[in-house]
Amino acid sequence: KQEVTQIPAALSVPEGENLVLNCSFTDSAIYNLQWFRQDPGKGLTSLLLIQSSQREQTSGRLNASLDKSSGRSTLYIAASQPGDSATYLCAVPGLYNFNKFYFGSGTKLNVKP
Amino acid sequence: DGGITQSPKYLFRKEGQNVTLSCEQNLNHDAMYWYRQDPGQGLRLIYYSQIVNDFQKGDIAEGYSVSREKKESFPLTVTSAQKNPTAFYLCASSPPGQGAKETQYFGPGTRLLVL
Repeated sequence: KQEVTQIPAALSVPEGENLVLNCSFTDSAIYNLQWFRQDPGKGLTSLLLIQSSQREQTSGRLNASLDKSSGRSTLYIAASQPGDSATYLCAVPGLYNFNKFYFGSGTKLNVKP
Repeated sequence: DGGITQSPKYLFRKEGQNVTLSCEQNLNHDAMYWYRQDPGQGLRLIYYSQIVNDFQKGDIAEGYSVSREKKESFPLTVTSAQKNPTAFYLCASSPPGQGAKETQYFGPGTRLLVL
């Protein structure tokens, strides 16, 4: 069974810093990996989706990389802002049933003004 | 505006009571999902449905039931058999096609509390 882990569980940085969030998965046979953002008490919003054939994907100040062989993905946030404060979750679909998404427990980010 | 709505935002359950959480989408998506989220944990799949009148158990289906009579609607009932129902419940949907290449779109969630 696929297991997804995110470290650290929480991160606090001053505004303007560049930062990296980590996601690891146990089964490297994946179709894609997705990063989501969750604000307190809210649903999830998709940020980036990296297909298994891609190495990275960019959207604005966000850059996600994928290394299937090592079972790792990183989400890089450039020039962090207080508005980036949220919980960031990564997820991968099941290999034999891609309706089953396996989620990490998330990294709670606090960007201090 | 297209999207997913969940109601109510907060729901209180008494001992031995069944309660139903509503999920509606106007995105014309075929697949719909229910997840449970506990504090500090990731999402766990309760049930999912790929098409009307069909649904499958996820990883933690015990104590829950669903129906899918309409494409737009996928209500979740938390039965009295679910002994620890306090959690944040999220509904999601995904567009038709190759599901593994598609993201999921989430509703705003319902927080269920036990009185």
